[in-house]
Amino acid sequence: NAGVTQTPKFRVLKTGQSMTLLCAQDMNHEYMYWYRQDPGMGLRLIHYSVGEGTTAKGEVPDGYNVSRLKKQNFLLGLESAAPSQTSVYFCASRLAGSMSYEQYFGPGTRLTVT
Amino acid sequence: LAKTTQPISMDSYEGQEVNITCSHNNIATNDYITWYQQFPSQGPRFIIQGYKTKVTNEVASLFIPADRKSSTLSLPRVSLSDTAVYYCLVGTLHGKTSYDKVIFGPGTSLSVIP
Repeated sequence: NAGVTQTPKFRVLKTGQSMTLLCAQDMNHEYMYWYRQDPGMGLRLIHYSVGEGTTAKGEVPDGYNVSRLKKQNFLLGLESAAPSQTSVYFCASRLAGSMSYEQYFGPGTRLTVT
Repeated sequence: LAKTTQPISMDSYEGQEVNITCSHNNIATNDYITWYQQFPSQGPRFIIQGYKTKVTNEVASLFIPADRKSSTLSLPRVSLSDTAVYYCLVGTLHGKTSYDKVIFGPGTSLSVIP
């Protein structure tokens, strides 16, 4: 099993450009999450999904959109990138119906917006 | 979700036992306590989870007093490879139709010294 993978690993955007980050998991997990992590800070939840076709806002959703068309994929979109969105983005997944809060994280995508 | 407070940083010598305490005074009845570890340039990794008393696995122990207003992560005989940031999270597991949010605070940066 590859676990949780993220594409791309690095990206540099100019202000106003758009892009999509892809997260894929092969563990058949229902729950998926997108976080951002800024230097010296913990992770902040952007959006999450509790199942295929469903999404919900987290703590910092502004400027981002998400889609979960397939159970194994969770896409994070930036329609018009801003320098404030320079960050490391992590995707995670979790098995629903378990008594564990264990989320499995991907390796991250480092995004720089100039 | 309950707010958590933990030390910003700690130092320890190799081979010592390290205890990191997290305060969560407004923990709710249904809340679980979860700890994650994060190495530089990697996503967080689940360490341990508990509800009350003591939980032990192959990596760490988690001590939770009867009032559950705090918890202590204990790492036995740390090595240089345990240098990482440790996050304490408190939250309730929700079902598929409800919210499932977690909040990562800034965490505790543990430095293990040779």
